[in-house]
Amino acid sequence: NAGVTQTPKFRILKIGQSMTLQCTQDMNHNYMYWYRQDPGMGLKLIYYSVGAGITDKGEVPNGYNVSRSTTEDFPLRLELAAPSQTSVYFCASSYSIRGREQETQYFGPGTRLLVL
Amino acid sequence: AQKVTQAQTEISVVEKEDVTLDCVYETRDTTYYLFWYKQPPSGELVFLIRRNSFDEQNEISGRYSWNFQKSTSSFNFTITASQVVDSAVYFCALSEAGFGNEKLTFGTGTRLTIIP
Repeated sequence: NAGVTQTPKFRILKIGQSMTLQCTQDMNHNYMYWYRQDPGMGLKLIYYSVGAGITDKGEVPNGYNVSRSTTEDFPLRLELAAPSQTSVYFCASSYSIRGREQETQYFGPGTRLLVL
Repeated sequence: AQKVTQAQTEISVVEKEDVTLDCVYETRDTTYYLFWYKQPPSGELVFLIRRNSFDEQNEISGRYSWNFQKSTSSFNFTITASQVVDSAVYFCALSEAGFGNEKLTFGTGTRLTIIP
């Protein structure tokens, strides 16, 4: 049971390039999330998904896209990288059922992205 | 809108001292969840505790204890007999209750340094 895994661990992009950050979980969680953490700040939600085929915007979605074709995978796409997207990106997952107490979100190890 | 405030940006204490990290939150909801996460120098996010707003009992787990007071909207975290391994950034977070409301709002974190 690996939990939440993210690839790559670190990446340098040039302005205008695109890339996909990968996130996979093996806990059969229905919810998945993408957060970004800027230096000295807390995490902010970019996008989240409540199940395969369903995604929604979080607090800071501009410049990003997501898809959820399977329960396990939730990739984050940067189409035109900008210096403002330099950050550490965390993927998380949790299990939620209507009428039951909310479960904990578990986080991946993070992807450090530098846009120059 | 939800908000989490961690007013202490950085704290340094000598090993074996006790230290309390403050967390104050704002929400219009009557039911919500509060969390603490630890981010060690290696960068991952480690879950410490989840608390339902209906449960105001204080909790103790080894050297860690949490004081939840709805009257002051606070959820403070105390480490007793601190150790060097406790050095990390600690985040307090809040989420609304209810299916579909599992998104976390994070505070900006408190960097704790334990001096040997």
